[in-house]
Amino acid sequence: DVKVTQSSRYLVKRTGEKVFLECVQDMDHENMFWYRQDPGLGLRLIYFSYDVKMKEKGDIPEGYSVSREKKERFSLILESASTNQTSMYLCASSRDGWGTEAFFGQGTRLTVV
Amino acid sequence: GENVEQHPSTLSVQEGDSAVIKCTYSDSASNYFPWYKQELGKRPQLIIDIRSNVGEKKDQRIAVTLNKTAKHFSLHITETQPEDSAVYFCAASIDNYGQNFVFGPGTRLSVLP
Repeated sequence: DVKVTQSSRYLVKRTGEKVFLECVQDMDHENMFWYRQDPGLGLRLIYFSYDVKMKEKGDIPEGYSVSREKKERFSLILESASTNQTSMYLCASSRDGWGTEAFFGQGTRLTVV
Repeated sequence: GENVEQHPSTLSVQEGDSAVIKCTYSDSASNYFPWYKQELGKRPQLIIDIRSNVGEKKDQRIAVTLNKTAKHFSLHITETQPEDSAVYFCAASIDNYGQNFVFGPGTRLSVLP
C-alpha cells in the first residue's frame, strides 16, 4: 500500500515567516508534486519533480520554492508566508511511466495570520 | 495552456439514480484523462481513467466517455449509493507522459437517501 505522508495536518503561521511543508513517500516513486486546493479552483500545481534534485514550476509557483535532496522526500517552502497562501496543500507521488496513478498525501491545512 | 472546465459544481441525486459530471478541455494534445474522488476530510483517490485512443471505459458502476473531437469527457455513476457522496475532480494531461495534469474545479456530489 502506497503511503504519502505529509508532516503536519494543520499549521498556523505568521505573515512573513518561512514555512516548510514536508512530504515523504515510501514506494520509491520517481515523480512528486505539490498542489494547493482552494474551493472552486480545484487542485493547482505549484511545483513538481521527476527526479532527485530536479524541479519544475507548475502553474502557480510564485512565492514558493521546493527541494528534493532525496528521492523519497519533497519539501515545499514558503519563503515569506502571506495571508493569500492560506490554503490546503496536497503532496502527491507517482511512479515513472505513462499515465500512472498519482497517490496523494492527507493534506496540510495552512493558515497564515 | 490547458484549461479544464467542469459542470455542475454541485449535484444532488436520490439514492439509486444516476449521476453525470461533464468536463471540457482546451488542448487537443491532451491524451490522458483521470478522475479522482475526494471524500470529506480524505485524500483524492483515482477512480477511473481513460486514454485518448479509447472512447469509453467502464468499471462496475462507473464509466467514463471521451469525445476527442468535441474535447469533452464525462463521468457516469449508475445506481448511486450514499458512499458515492464526495467531490469529484476531472483532469487532463499536459505532457507527453501522462504524468502532469490540469484539474477541473471539482463537483460536489450528494447522494440523498
